[in-house]
Amino acid sequence: ETGVTQSPTHLIKTRGQQVTLRCSSQSGHNTVSWYQQALGQGPQFIFQYYREEENGRGNFPPRFSGLQFPNYSSELNVNALELDDSALYLCASSPEGANVLTFGAGSRLTVL
Amino acid sequence: GDSVTQMEGPVTLSEEAFLTINCTYTATGYPSLFWYVQYPGEGLQLLLKATKADDKGSNKGFEATYRKETTSFHLEKGSVQVSDSAVYFCALSRNTGTASKLTFGTGTRLQVTL
Repeated sequence: ETGVTQSPTHLIKTRGQQVTLRCSSQSGHNTVSWYQQALGQGPQFIFQYYREEENGRGNFPPRFSGLQFPNYSSELNVNALELDDSALYLCASSPEGANVLTFGAGSRLTVL
Repeated sequence: GDSVTQMEGPVTLSEEAFLTINCTYTATGYPSLFWYVQYPGEGLQLLLKATKADDKGSNKGFEATYRKETTSFHLEKGSVQVSDSAVYFCALSRNTGTASKLTFGTGTRLQVTL
């Protein structure tokens, strides 16, 4: 069984630009969550998607948005990038109603 | 709101030493508790979990007991190896319908030397 895969693994953007990060969930998992992990910190919950709808959101502004597709893969979009958005973005998937998450290796975003 | 507090690192131990990483939490109700491990350049891997008071989670020689009276979930291992060097995160989860959000501590870096 394949795990959670994320792309790209690394990217560099400049302030004000927009970025899209992608995630393929583990086989059989229909729920996808996104977390932001700043350097030296624990991951912070951004939002969760279930059945293509946002189903829970953390304390992040609306310029952080997402999508989930019928095959359960997901995208995280961040508009108007700020320097503080530099972080490792982790995607995690889980079966419906489960609280055990399988994490991907992350996409490291650097904003200059 | 929910929060998790971990002991600050780095923790440096010699191989075969005893490990304790302290974790306490603040949450209403009865959260599930987890320890995740992050090896360099990788995502998080679930190490162990406990879903109710007095449960003991264990995996790969690591153990943690859910103590509701002290709101703690300390991680222990009797004899660490160099390969255990990583960052360890304590986390809690409360399910609300189909949503499940993890609240993490800031992580504790463990370095094991020969």
